[in-house]
Amino acid sequence: SQQGEEDPQALSIQEGENATMNCSYKTSINNLQWYRQNSGRGLVHLILIRSNEREKHSGRLRVTLDTSKKSSSLLITASRAADTASYFCATDASGYSSASKIIFGSGTRLSIRP
Amino acid sequence: EAQVTQNPRYLITVTGKKLTVTCSQNMNHEYMSWYRQDPGLGLRQIYYSMNVEVTDKGDVPEGYKVSRKEKRNFPLILESPSPNQTSLYFCASMGDLFTDTQYFGPGTRLTVL
Repeated sequence: SQQGEEDPQALSIQEGENATMNCSYKTSINNLQWYRQNSGRGLVHLILIRSNEREKHSGRLRVTLDTSKKSSSLLITASRAADTASYFCATDASGYSSASKIIFGSGTRLSIRP
Repeated sequence: EAQVTQNPRYLITVTGKKLTVTCSQNMNHEYMSWYRQDPGLGLRQIYYSMNVEVTDKGDVPEGYKVSRKEKRNFPLILESPSPNQTSLYFCASMGDLFTDTQYFGPGTRLTVL
């Protein structure tokens, strides 16, 4: 089952522009997390937002969560070349019978053009 | 340094030859998990463990086994590997499923011929 779906699958922007990625999920959740992955390497946690939170900031990152629409967005402001990576959302599966599972989306590949 | 380690990092093997990928964390985390990553499919959870001697299936458990005899270790076992298990595997750990973040290992790239 695919709980999280990211949109778009790929995004290419000019350095300095803002990048927005979206994640949709299917069932109720306790929290939603965003991760970054540089080409074939391990994932790095970016930000966690709980189901009772609507917005969270961390440096140039801004995450929103709309539980009524079952969606989240990740905004990266003033993008840099080093932001080039794949970005994934992940949720727990509290709406499923096995609530302790973690489900990842298929990711958004972000490319920053110099 | 807090970390999750995996070994080996790269492995090429043949169909049917049993193999084990080790995973160890030094953060005293209760929750540990294995994922596989395939192009276009993101990460899919294979197995997870809430604590010692407690394991459960993720989304793609077929062909894999795990054990959790100690809190720090969570090996992934492929009893009879097949080519469709060629993938990039990640181990991860976290302290609490609902409030903590996951820490990922560096990955194991497995090729089954």
